[in-house]
Amino acid sequence: SQTIHQWPATLVQPVGSPLSLECTVEGTSNPNLYWYRQAAGRGLQLLFYSVGIGQISSEVPQNLSASRPQDRQFILSSKKLLLSDSGFYLCAWSVEEDNTGELFFGEGSRLTVL
Amino acid sequence: AQSVTQLGSHVSVSEGALVLLRCNYSSSVPPYLFWYVQYPNQGLQLLLKYTSAATLVKGINGFEAEFKKSETSFHLTKPSAHMSDAAEYFCAVSDFTGANSKLTFGKGITLSVRP
Repeated sequence: SQTIHQWPATLVQPVGSPLSLECTVEGTSNPNLYWYRQAAGRGLQLLFYSVGIGQISSEVPQNLSASRPQDRQFILSSKKLLLSDSGFYLCAWSVEEDNTGELFFGEGSRLTVL
Repeated sequence: AQSVTQLGSHVSVSEGALVLLRCNYSSSVPPYLFWYVQYPNQGLQLLLKYTSAATLVKGINGFEAEFKKSETSFHLTKPSAHMSDAAEYFCAVSDFTGANSKLTFGKGITLSVRP
């Protein structure tokens, strides 16, 4: 069966420090991968998605970047964190052959920037 | 562009009472619609989805939703609330662009269940 792992689960970082959140999917190949951010009362905002290695689409301009160095690995990064980067970050994947768009989510990473 | 409206941010019901969470969507194409549930500090879990088959969709944990095209609605219901249903619920619509379909989520509704 397919599983998705995110780490770290919790992170507290000072303003201006770098960030790296990692996501790995197991049990499937060539998944579509997504990073969402969840802020209180604002639902889920799609940040990046990827349909293959090295292929990244950004949905909103921001202080973050994403990379996909391997088929089942998706990384969210920042060179210098801002207070506004605090939130709950969710990685998700979908099956390319499933045109409905159904997503499978990881457990999330809570980032607090101080 | 697709969008989802979830009216209100919080619903409170008594244990054993009917649960009704509302969702209205906007889509330029026949939509695929989803309900997800999120427990505190966890990821989202799929409750049910509508993919143009039966308009009444049954999901996990006793939840169901009915697709009403004329009302552009996809409300979530459960006949009898349980304490374990307390969570945040998200409605979502797919933009259906084929292999690169993406979901647009509503802002979510927090469900509280009173003893």
